[in-house]
Amino acid sequence: AQKVTQAQTEISVVEKEDVTLDCVYETRDTTYYLFWYKQPPSGELVFLIRRNSFDEQNEISGRYSWNFQKSTSSFNFTITASQVVDSAVYFCALSSTGTASKLTFGTGTRLQVTL
Amino acid sequence: AAGVIQSPRHLIKEKRETATLKCYPIPRHDTVYWYQQGPGQDPQFLISFYEKMQSDKGSIPDRFSAQQFSDYHSELNMSSLELGDSALYFCASRFGGAEAFFGQGTRLTVV
Repeated sequence: AQKVTQAQTEISVVEKEDVTLDCVYETRDTTYYLFWYKQPPSGELVFLIRRNSFDEQNEISGRYSWNFQKSTSSFNFTITASQVVDSAVYFCALSSTGTASKLTFGTGTRLQVTL
Repeated sequence: AAGVIQSPRHLIKEKRETATLKCYPIPRHDTVYWYQQGPGQDPQFLISFYEKMQSDKGSIPDRFSAQQFSDYHSELNMSSLELGDSALYFCASRFGGAEAFFGQGTRLTVV
């Protein structure tokens, strides 16, 4: 069975601070995909990134960066210079590489960015 | 670019009534998923379809059923609604192992 753990239930930061959201996963698959989604107060689920298990290269996209470490089964997400618009619930998710494999979500981390 | 379209966006039903949620996936996506998200919860997998055939089933109540039609749109049918069915229902579509894109969701309120 697959499992995703986001131990941080809620994080509150002041604008312009950096913040890291933790994600730890469990799977018996040798190949898999990892994802991050953002759910703003409006409710939609916005795709942020997908990572293949065989690609441990870290990725940076603007103020966002992701640190994938297979050895510790972690896929952490850092927002640099946070902004109020970053306030949302962030979900980490995992799926197998098999056809039509479902995504298993973590419980989410609520990020509150204040002025 | 086309996104996943869900309708209706909001739905209010009384207990024991029936509801039908519709999903129009992104063109050429071969997989459709349905998820249920209760207040303050993470999305829970209900059911999926690959090329119009049921692919996997999660914690979907027997009162719920779903299908995918020849034009690839999918419908989630929910009968004998209970107060606990009040939730946000997401449809997502995906092509192969690529990222899954979610619709804006249908907020179902059972009163």
